[in-house]
Amino acid sequence: QVQLQESGPGLVKPSETLSLTCAVSGYSISSGYYWGWIRQPPGKGLEWIGSIYHSGSTYYNPSLKSRVTISVDTSKNQFSLKLSSVTAADTAVYYCARLNIVVVVFDPWGQGTLVTVSS
Amino acid sequence: QSALTQPASVSGSPGQSITISCTGTSSDVGGYNYVSWYQQHPGKAPKLMIYEVSNRPSGVSNRFSGSKSGNTASLTISGLQAEDEADYYCSSYTSSSTLEAVFGGGTKLTVL
Repeated sequence: QVQLQESGPGLVKPSETLSLTCAVSGYSISSGYYWGWIRQPPGKGLEWIGSIYHSGSTYYNPSLKSRVTISVDTSKNQFSLKLSSVTAADTAVYYCARLNIVVVVFDPWGQGTLVTVSS
Repeated sequence: QSALTQPASVSGSPGQSITISCTGTSSDVGGYNYVSWYQQHPGKAPKLMIYEVSNRPSGVSNRFSGSKSGNTASLTISGLQAEDEADYYCSSYTSSSTLEAVFGGGTKLTVL
């Protein structure tokens, strides 16, 4: 059974960089699939942030592309998100998920982690 | 503003059927059979309910069904149960840019 678990600071100061890691268990990242990050501001809808393949190939949401970096560490079976120059608008629950890029399906998802941007 | 348009809320009584719509364009919903639906209970992660317009993952009740006509996809839940009360999001592949996936704004389902 594939499981994903997000981890990282729950509070980030404005203008700093948000950093999260998603640990994958029950499946080797190197075996295939893309791996993605999605966020959900409090009380709002879902927004795709970006995705990565084990080779390092990435796709980013154009609206966030200038601030986002997604990387993968196959030796640790995990992938990471960095979002720079954060503002209060980046406050959200951040989810990681496995992405079947052929049919564009996110499944399964991690439980999510709330990141608040505040001084 | 979300790329896909969903009604903010729908409601129904136990045992009834409801349908949630998801409207896009020919660059996403209308152009590809890559529409998915997710269920999200408060404080929980989204759960895949329907993929490729009308396919159900293993373990999802057959009370959930999906369809598509033109640029609008639909999720129908029959025999409503209290546990179905949740937020529902549609998603689609899009060719409009390098963006892989777009989501709808979400629909709050209330079981009366």
